[in-house]
Amino acid sequence: DIQMTQSPSFLSASVGDRVTINCKASQNINKYLNWYQQKLGEAPKRLIYNTNNLQTGIPSRFSGSGSGTDYTLTISSLQPEDFATYFCLQHNSFPFTFGSGTKLEIK
Amino acid sequence: QVQLKESGPGLVQPSRTLSLTCTVSGFSLTSYGVSWVRQPPGKGLEWIAAIWSGGSTDYNSALKSRLSISRDTSKSQVLLKMNSLQTEDTAMYFCARSGYTPFDYWGQGVMVTVSS
Repeated sequence: DIQMTQSPSFLSASVGDRVTINCKASQNINKYLNWYQQKLGEAPKRLIYNTNNLQTGIPSRFSGSGSGTDYTLTISSLQPEDFATYFCLQHNSFPFTFGSGTKLEIK
Repeated sequence: QVQLKESGPGLVQPSRTLSLTCTVSGFSLTSYGVSWVRQPPGKGLEWIAAIWSGGSTDYNSALKSRLSISRDTSKSQVLLKMNSLQTEDTAMYFCARSGYTPFDYWGQGVMVTVSS
């Protein structure tokens, strides 16, 4: 199975900050990497698919990049509604596997 | 709009069989696949099983011997059965849709507790 190592686990930031979250795969995943936002009691929401494609309806302050084994989610200017948990998913091969999550908190 | 809603028993005794239902709306199960994903309290997400638009299935090999996924297209439902439940199976269980790319829409999840 492909292991996804996500960092950091916790991130404290302020409104307006630029933040980055990383996922490292144990092998090349050919850009088959999605990013999600999860808030307590809500369905996870897909932000980015296949590394850098913005899901319809998601603000442009969210972006993704990467290749090979290393991938990054960037939020260019944090808004109050962005404080949540974020996780990545590789869908290059079965079983699909997830990063362990990053909890983004207000500083 | 696209919606998925999980339902299940909430509490299951150890060694029993869990039955979960994902009821979908806004799309057809003959056009999209649906997966089950779980998240134990305080832990990460784990993909469990998928049923694809053509009816074929895939399972997480770690759980495969205990799982069965099926669908009832007339009711727009995907069914998951997991037998021989243990306390480690306590988790939030989600269903999620897959089209061109996986997991574009998710349900809110259903909490399942395994306890006597």
